[in-house]
Amino acid sequence: EDKVVQSPLSLVVHEGDTVTLNCSYEVTNFRSLLWYKQEKKAPTFLFMLTSSGIEKKSGRLSSILDKKELSSILNITATQTGDSAIYLCAVGTTSGTYKYIFGTGTRLKVLA
Amino acid sequence: DADVTQTPRNRITKTGKRIMLECSQTKGHDRMYWYRQDPGLGLRLIYYSFDVKDINKGEISDGYSVSRQAQAKFSLSLESAIPNQTALYFCATRGAGQSGELFFGEGSRLTVL
Repeated sequence: EDKVVQSPLSLVVHEGDTVTLNCSYEVTNFRSLLWYKQEKKAPTFLFMLTSSGIEKKSGRLSSILDKKELSSILNITATQTGDSAIYLCAVGTTSGTYKYIFGTGTRLKVLA
Repeated sequence: DADVTQTPRNRITKTGKRIMLECSQTKGHDRMYWYRQDPGLGLRLIYYSFDVKDINKGEISDGYSVSRQAQAKFSLSLESAIPNQTALYFCATRGAGQSGELFFGEGSRLTVL
């Protein structure tokens, strides 16, 4: 059975801290790994990682895909209160038809 | 206007009632999805459609049905709502190709009493 596991489930840090969120997966026919940020309602897209693009960076956020370890990390440096959100990891797989499997998310709270 | 629009945004209903959640998109995408989100369970796939003639069950389709009325419209129905269908429901779209991001609607919060 395809599975995506995120850790930790929740995290509380202070502004300025650096955090690392983890996503591990067990899927057949891996195609891509996506990171989303969910604040109030709709998840908003952060990064997509594939076999041909294993590292992405945008400002204080960066992500790396480790295909050997079947995992990915999302790093946030110099955290701000606006980074408080649920971070979702989704893996695209073509086992059967193409679909995305989501992890349960990591809830991050950044204290001022 | 949002690229992916869901209606209603909030709905409270009673057990046994029929409910329809609607989704429309202006992105021109063929692929459309319905997910539900519950605390601690992440997003789980209910149904997905790759075009108007292609409907597929996801991991939790029991108790739900869908209709793809046009390329831009994908509706989710609960024929007889029950309390454990209380959740936040998301519609999402994706363009063609082997990979690509999902674009989400704002969500429909459904409460079944």
